[in-house]
Amino acid sequence: DSGVTQTPKHLITATGQRVTLRCSPRSGDLSVYWYQQSLDQGLQFLIQYYNGEERAKGNILERFSAQQFPDLHSELNLSSLELGDSALYFCASSVVTPGQEGTEAFFGQGTRLTVV
Amino acid sequence: AQTVTQSQPEMSVQEAETVTLSCTYDTSESDYYLFWYKQPPSRQMILVIRQEAYKQQNATENRFSVNFQKAAKSFSLKISDSQLGDAAMYFCAYRSAWAGSEKLVFGKGTKLTVNP
Repeated sequence: DSGVTQTPKHLITATGQRVTLRCSPRSGDLSVYWYQQSLDQGLQFLIQYYNGEERAKGNILERFSAQQFPDLHSELNLSSLELGDSALYFCASSVVTPGQEGTEAFFGQGTRLTVV
Repeated sequence: AQTVTQSQPEMSVQEAETVTLSCTYDTSESDYYLFWYKQPPSRQMILVIRQEAYKQQNATENRFSVNFQKAAKSFSLKISDSQLGDAAMYFCAYRSAWAGSEKLVFGKGTKLTVNP
């Protein structure tokens, strides 16, 4: 158990719909990352939050948004869903404090999103 | 931008034998971290081993060791005494040492099969 919790584990929804994926980081971790894993694109970084603020942005579509709340949990919102958004969405967390920059990221079990 | 290349989409090994998975990366940075993650059928991303670029000594974790060649930008993973539980996808990943660049850049992965 990595200590990172993602819900739900599976999600099936129709095209055009909107879904929210939730992530609770490990206790003490201030940074949360979202990654998308698909067969054709592999593992792609979407976005990172640190202590409630957006810290880095990757290949995240405009239809997608995220936020990190004061209790440090994070949500990834996916809207106007398309068939191509079907993927495994991972959340990861890490410490990211001075002197611990090399600390590895711990991953949740992922949310399998299927758009039909 | 950094890139990570895993040239072996699939590898197989006999139980108790040794196998080496290849990884090359491209970066203009001098300080960074390299990781190998394992993804079994359960889809959980599990850290196998990490290497700091400033360290010349190759990292070792039990049966897992790396051959880090900084000048060649090569980072291979050696699994000794392979076990059935080692069967999984293995991802090589790069992370910058710069603050604000903590995201992981992944290779496409190598699927390892362990034959009894």
